[in-house]
Amino acid sequence: DSGVTQTPKHLITATGQRVTLRCSPRSGDLSVYWYQQSLDQGLQFLIQYYNGEERAKGNILERFSAQQFPDLHSELNLSSLELGDSALYFCASSVEGRPYNEQFFGPGTRLTVL
Amino acid sequence: AQKVTQAQTEISVVEKEDVTLDCVYETRDTTYYLFWYKQPPSGELVFLIRRNSFDEQNEISGRYSWNFQKSTSSFNFTITASQVVDSAVYFCALTFSGGYQKVTFGTGTKLQVIP
Repeated sequence: DSGVTQTPKHLITATGQRVTLRCSPRSGDLSVYWYQQSLDQGLQFLIQYYNGEERAKGNILERFSAQQFPDLHSELNLSSLELGDSALYFCASSVEGRPYNEQFFGPGTRLTVL
Repeated sequence: AQKVTQAQTEISVVEKEDVTLDCVYETRDTTYYLFWYKQPPSGELVFLIRRNSFDEQNEISGRYSWNFQKSTSSFNFTITASQVVDSAVYFCALTFSGGYQKVTFGTGTKLQVIP
């Protein structure tokens, strides 16, 4: 158990809908990362937050947004969902969010868009 | 731009055999960090090792060992005397120093250890 929690574990929804994925980092970690893992794209970095502020952006679509709250938990919002958004979404956390920091991954949220 | 290549998509070995997972990276930065992560069937990625670009010493941890060679831009991972519990997808990853930067993952190598 990495100490990173993600909810929900599974999510099934329809195209065009909006969903919110939630992540709580390990105690003491200030940085949160979001990743998308799909069969065709592999593991893709989406976005990183550090202590409530966005720090790095990867291949995140405009339909997706995220934020980190004062209690350091983070939410990833996915809107206007398409079939291709079906994937496993991971949250990870690290102490400082530096490139050399080990990242601790949560169990993931499996999103299925029908 | 950074890139990580794991050319081996899937590998199958019989238990107790040694196996090496290849990782080749590309980066223009002189200071960078390489990682290996393990993703067992349960799905959660687990950190295995970190290596910075200035430390070319090989590392051994139990049955696991890593060979970092800057000359060939490779960071290979060897499992000695493989066990069924080693069955997983293994990812090599790269990031570079300086501020807050994203991690670039390879496509992963699926290792199946057959009893």
